[in-house]
Amino acid sequence: AQTVTQSQPEMSVQEAETVTLSCTYDTSESDYYLFWYKQPPSRQMILVIRQEAYKQQNATENRFSVNFQKAAKSFSLKISDSQLGDAAMYFCAYRSAGGAAGNMLTFGGGTRLMVKP
Amino acid sequence: GAGVSQSPRYKVTKRGQDVTLRCDPISSHATLYWYQQALGQGPEFLTYFNYEAQPDKSGLPSDRFSAERPEGSISTLTIQRTEQRDSAMYRCASSPFISSGREHEQYFGPGTRLTVT
Repeated sequence: AQTVTQSQPEMSVQEAETVTLSCTYDTSESDYYLFWYKQPPSRQMILVIRQEAYKQQNATENRFSVNFQKAAKSFSLKISDSQLGDAAMYFCAYRSAGGAAGNMLTFGGGTRLMVKP
Repeated sequence: GAGVSQSPRYKVTKRGQDVTLRCDPISSHATLYWYQQALGQGPEFLTYFNYEAQPDKSGLPSDRFSAERPEGSISTLTIQRTEQRDSAMYRCASSPFISSGREHEQYFGPGTRLTVT
């Protein structure tokens, strides 16, 4: 079974600065997807960014980018130019690439990000 | 519809009562998932549907939990004889059809917060 670990329960960042959230995972599979989801105080779950394991290039979405290190099984999220609206719980998630058992997401425990004005 | 919707948003019930939660996925999305999220933790997989078929029920915590999607669109999650430990946020998510190129992404609804007293 796959496991996802987020070792930072809480992080804080000054507005306009950059912050990196860590995520590691354990799997024996070679093909999979990784995601970061944002959960603001409203408790919605918002997809922030995704990464396909077969792609060497790190995904970017505006101010959000990832550092995907497949050999190290590491998938960190970098938020540039942090804004007050970025304050939320962030979850890292893993999904196998195929097969009936591959549809579920496995989530980490989350990192609470606080943004200081 | 524009997004995944769930109802009710909040449900308080007494121990021993049955509850039914509803999920209306994004129209045309083939795959629908149910997750349970305890406070301060990441969501945990319960079950999923491909149209009306339910290939995986492995995450359902007991036989008191059941889910249906009889016409391949709206789904319900029923918890019989509720217990206090069932108190959690119940989230529904849906994915586009296979070959859309985005079938590995899951889009979440706002959740139903269930409190069992």
